[in-house]
Amino acid sequence: ILNVEQSPQSLHVQEGDSTNFTCSFPSSNFYALHWYRWETAKSPEALFVMTLNGDEKKKGRISATLNTKEGYSYLYIKGSQPEDSATYLCASRTGNQFYFGTGTSLTVIP
Amino acid sequence: GAVVSQHPSWVICKSGTSVKIECRSLDFQATTMFWYRQFPKQSLMLMATSNEGSKATYEQGVEKDKFLINHASLTLSTLTVTSAHPEDSSFYICSARDPRTGGTEAFFGQGTRLTVV
Repeated sequence: ILNVEQSPQSLHVQEGDSTNFTCSFPSSNFYALHWYRWETAKSPEALFVMTLNGDEKKKGRISATLNTKEGYSYLYIKGSQPEDSATYLCASRTGNQFYFGTGTSLTVIP
Repeated sequence: GAVVSQHPSWVICKSGTSVKIECRSLDFQATTMFWYRQFPKQSLMLMATSNEGSKATYEQGVEKDKFLINHASLTLSTLTVTSAHPEDSSFYICSARDPRTGGTEAFFGQGTRLTVV
């Protein structure tokens, strides 16, 4: 079992603030790092897949970076909006298997 | 992205009864589907890999006779929790990979909250 850790566990920010979370994973046998956005009662929505050290991906106000040598990924949200409130889940993929973190629960206060 | 539908979204059952959860890929065919379980404040843990037309592969510590998996078609996998007990109360979620996108991304159902009373 791979130990994937996310921090913080939860976060409350004011609308308009920028924020970031961390996903740590073992760098051995690494294949890909996935980020998902998960709203209550909905399916997790895929945000990014990154495979190469130094990868940076961006989708609107959300971006992510990857460091495979030290085993971490950052997710950034610029100018948070209430609709960004969700749990952000990361998963490290080794071969055919996904190993998930426990998620970071983000609440954006209007 | 691809769509995976899971039903029911929640279920309450009596101890000793069985519960069936369905996972369907709506717009693609999935030869393989994955079943996860999540206990409170813990991460999603893979229970088993469901293979169309053959036996499922179970992770260590998961009882195959208790969690019956059937993947009879390319768009449907079912998980049946047999003789459910309160300790089986958990959140169950399925996923599948769309071969049209190279199978690199996992698409999830909405999950099922099971409560055994």
